[in-house]
Amino acid sequence: DVKVTQSSRYLVKRTGEKVFLECVQDMDHENMFWYRQDPGLGLRLIYFSYDVKMKEKGDIPEGYSVSREKKERFSLILESASTNQTSMYLCASSSPLGARGTGELFFGEGSRLTVL
Amino acid sequence: GEDVEQSLFLSVREGDSSVINCTYTDSSSTYLYWYKQEPGAGLQLLTYIFSNMDMKQDQRLTVLLNKKDKHLSLRIADTQTGDSAIYFCALGPPPGTYKYIFGTGTRLKVLA
Repeated sequence: DVKVTQSSRYLVKRTGEKVFLECVQDMDHENMFWYRQDPGLGLRLIYFSYDVKMKEKGDIPEGYSVSREKKERFSLILESASTNQTSMYLCASSSPLGARGTGELFFGEGSRLTVL
Repeated sequence: GEDVEQSLFLSVREGDSSVINCTYTDSSSTYLYWYKQEPGAGLQLLTYIFSNMDMKQDQRLTVLLNKKDKHLSLRIADTQTGDSAIYFCALGPPPGTYKYIFGTGTRLKVLA
């Protein structure tokens, strides 16, 4: 069964702490994404990566960074957590559109972060 | 910029059909998707439609695509309590890009 695994389902951190959210996929996908989900705002893209060590900013990258040292792993880093980063964070992966498939996104279960 | 709109809530009785609607502004996506999100979980792909199709049926699910009106709908026949969830429509990335556009989600509540 194909899988995207997020290491932490629930985290509680204090303002100013550094936070790491880890995501691993076992589908050999080139593309990986980090979204945050807030009520009434849907999903907003933070960063995505289309290859190892490659990354692109999404719509709301401020306050976040990412790391992709291996194809299967994509990490989201909050250098100094703030209360407005309290949210649900969703990792996803996909193959490029074309012969390999329909480009559907496969999502992890989500990481709910609370910053106090 | 691109925009995808959905109504926020829908309530139906068990056994009835549910229709969730989505309108969008950008029509360059090759695929359009419907995702389901159950409480506390990630999004799960329900179905998708290729942009040159008008309709796709998959068991209890029927997807209709009206490209002229830029309207996408998901019909769930014989809705069950287990269908209660948030449903997102999403536009796939236009060729050469990586950007998916999601609607804000429709919360479906099924009444027993």
